[in-house]
Amino acid sequence: DVKVTQSSRYLVKRTGEKVFLECVQDMDHENMFWYRQDPGLGLRLIYFSYDVKMKEKGDIPEGYSVSREKKERFSLILESASTNQTSMYLCASGSRRGDEQYFGPGTRLTVT
Amino acid sequence: AQTVTQSQPEMSVQEAETVTLSCTYDTSESNYYLFWYKQPPSRQMILVIRQEAYKQQNATENRFSVNFQKAAKSFSLKISDSQLGDTAMYFCAPGGSNYKLTFGKGTLLTVNP
Repeated sequence: DVKVTQSSRYLVKRTGEKVFLECVQDMDHENMFWYRQDPGLGLRLIYFSYDVKMKEKGDIPEGYSVSREKKERFSLILESASTNQTSMYLCASGSRRGDEQYFGPGTRLTVT
Repeated sequence: AQTVTQSQPEMSVQEAETVTLSCTYDTSESNYYLFWYKQPPSRQMILVIRQEAYKQQNATENRFSVNFQKAAKSFSLKISDSQLGDTAMYFCAPGGSNYKLTFGKGTLLTVNP
C-alpha cells in the first residue's frame, strides 16, 4: 500500500515563527503536492514538485516555500507564520499523469 | 485553467437509499481525467472513482458510479445503497495535461440511520 506520512497531525505556532511541515512517501512517486484545505474553499494547491529540486507554484504560493532534496521527501516552509495561515495542510504524491494522488493524514496548523 | 463547481454544499440521505452528488467543470483540454475523492470525518482523503474523459463508458466501483456527460462538462457521483460509512466530504477533481488536480469546494454527505 502507498503510504504518505506527515510529520505532525497538530501543530501550534506563534506569529512570526518559521514553520516546517514535512511529508514523506514510500512509493517512489515523481510528483508531490502541498494543499491547503479551508472550510468552504475546498483544497487549494500551494506548490508542487515534479522531480528532486524541481518545484512549481500552485494557486496560492504567497507566504510559503518548499524544498525537495530527496525524491521521497517534500517540505513546506512558512518563513514567518501569520494567523491567516491557520489551516489544514495536506500533502499528496502521485506518479503518472492521470493517476490518482495519494494523500497524507494532514497537519492542522494553528498560528496564534 | 480548470474550474470546478459542486453546487450542493451539504446533502443527507437515509441509509440504504441512493444519492447523487453533482459536479460541473470547465476545461480547455481535450484529454483529461476526472476523480471523486472522499474525506471521512478526521480521516484521510481517499480516491472513490476515476474516469478517463476519452472513454464514453461511465466508471463504476461497487456501489459508486458516475454519470459523465462530456459535452455538458458534468461528472456526477451516484452512491447506491448508502451506508453509514459513506458519511464524508466528497470532492470532485478534474486533472489535465500536467499532473495537477483542481478540486471543487466539496459536498458534505451525511447518511442517516
